Amino acid sequence: AQTVTQSQPEMSVQEAETVTLSCTYDTSESDYYLFWYKQPPSRQMILVIRQEAYKQQNATENRFSVNFQKAAKSFSLKISDSQLGDAAMYFCAYRTPARNQFYFGTGTSLTVIP
Amino acid sequence: NAGVTQTPKFQVLKTGQSMTLQCAQDMNHEYMSWYRQDPGMGLRLIHYSVGAGITDQGEVPNGYNVSRSTTEDFPLRLLSAAPSQTSVYFCASRAGTTRNTGELFFGEGSRLTVL
Repeated sequence: AQTVTQSQPEMSVQEAETVTLSCTYDTSESDYYLFWYKQPPSRQMILVIRQEAYKQQNATENRFSVNFQKAAKSFSLKISDSQLGDAAMYFCAYRTPARNQFYFGTGTSLTVIP
Repeated sequence: NAGVTQTPKFQVLKTGQSMTLQCAQDMNHEYMSWYRQDPGMGLRLIHYSVGAGITDQGEVPNGYNVSRSTTEDFPLRLLSAAPSQTSVYFCASRAGTTRNTGELFFGEGSRLTVL
């Protein structure tokens, strides 16, 4: 069974600094997709970034980037120049093309310290 | 620009009562799903649908029913609410069904409390 593990329940970062959130997953598939979602206090789930497993290049979206290590089954999220608005719960998620289920980690609560 | 709309946003029920959480999307997405979010457990899939007339169970389907009579709507029914169903519920949809990198689009969530 696919599982997604986020081993850091809580993280904090100083404003303008960089923070990395960890995510590992367990799969026997070779073709899959990985996602990071942000959930601010408003409760709305917002896509931050996604990565296709067949792509070797790490995805980047402005201040957000990933470190995708396929062999290690690791998918960490790096947030650069952290802003107060980055404070939220972050969820890592996994999906294969052959299945319709997304598997979510338990989340990392990020606090940004002014 | 509605996206995925869930109603109600908050609901309090007594044990044994029934209710329906409504979900509608205006993006013509084939795939729709319901998740529940509980502290320390992430999001868990309750039921999903890959098109009108087709539904299937997810990880935690017990106590919930769904139907998909139209592409736009995917209601979630609690037949006899239990305190264990106290949670935040999310409806989510995406384009396509399988071979697609499409992300899930989420509603704003519905907080349900069962007393």
